[in-house]
Amino acid sequence: EPEVTQTPSHQVTQMGQEVILRCVPISNHLYFYWYRQILGQKVEFLVSFYNNEISEKSEIFDDQFSVERPDGSNFTLKIRSTKLEDSAMYFCASSERRDYIHFGNGTRLTVT
Amino acid sequence: AQKITQTQPGMFVQEKEAVTLDCTYDTSDPSYGLFWYKQPSSGEMIFLIYQGSYDQQNATEGRYSLNFQKARKSANLVISASQLGDSAMYFCAMREGGVNAGNMLTFGGGTRLMVKP
Repeated sequence: EPEVTQTPSHQVTQMGQEVILRCVPISNHLYFYWYRQILGQKVEFLVSFYNNEISEKSEIFDDQFSVERPDGSNFTLKIRSTKLEDSAMYFCASSERRDYIHFGNGTRLTVT
Repeated sequence: AQKITQTQPGMFVQEKEAVTLDCTYDTSDPSYGLFWYKQPSSGEMIFLIYQGSYDQQNATEGRYSLNFQKARKSANLVISASQLGDSAMYFCAMREGGVNAGNMLTFGGGTRLMVKP
């Protein structure tokens, strides 16, 4: 069964560094998303992307965050200058329509 | 007010028995979708089942079924014949709005299910 693939599975970075989280959505999907889950807390929406542009974003998704679909298969989340509070599990997700939203296995980001 | 409420932080079930995980939601939008996800200790989020607000029948996917009671705004997940591998965190989530709305999911706090052998 096709799946959403995220790399790396774990990333450690120093505060103030830029980090790029990578995702390969399911190939025929049109909608792409990033969510995050701080340890022990709820899953929170960051951003959704459709038709090569951001369709919706949350308050968390400030100027430090950006997304890109550079080559038609990858979907990336960039955090420009990481803070300690950015430490979380980051999930990429994709869907063909507005239902059946499939998540990847996540990237655990640790900011030291 | 919380949009998604999961009132059971933890539950035990005996292997091979059925279990119901509760989820209530709050929306004034007539068009919405409800999702359940499983998160094992390894951390991934596994899609289980989806119910649209206009769907006439309750959704089923294998051993998972969704007990959708629209008037009560509840969307409980029923797992039949529990297996040890069902031990995990379970999240209920909602997407609000019709075709032209966004696809943002709002998640509940989760229920940790533990299956006893």
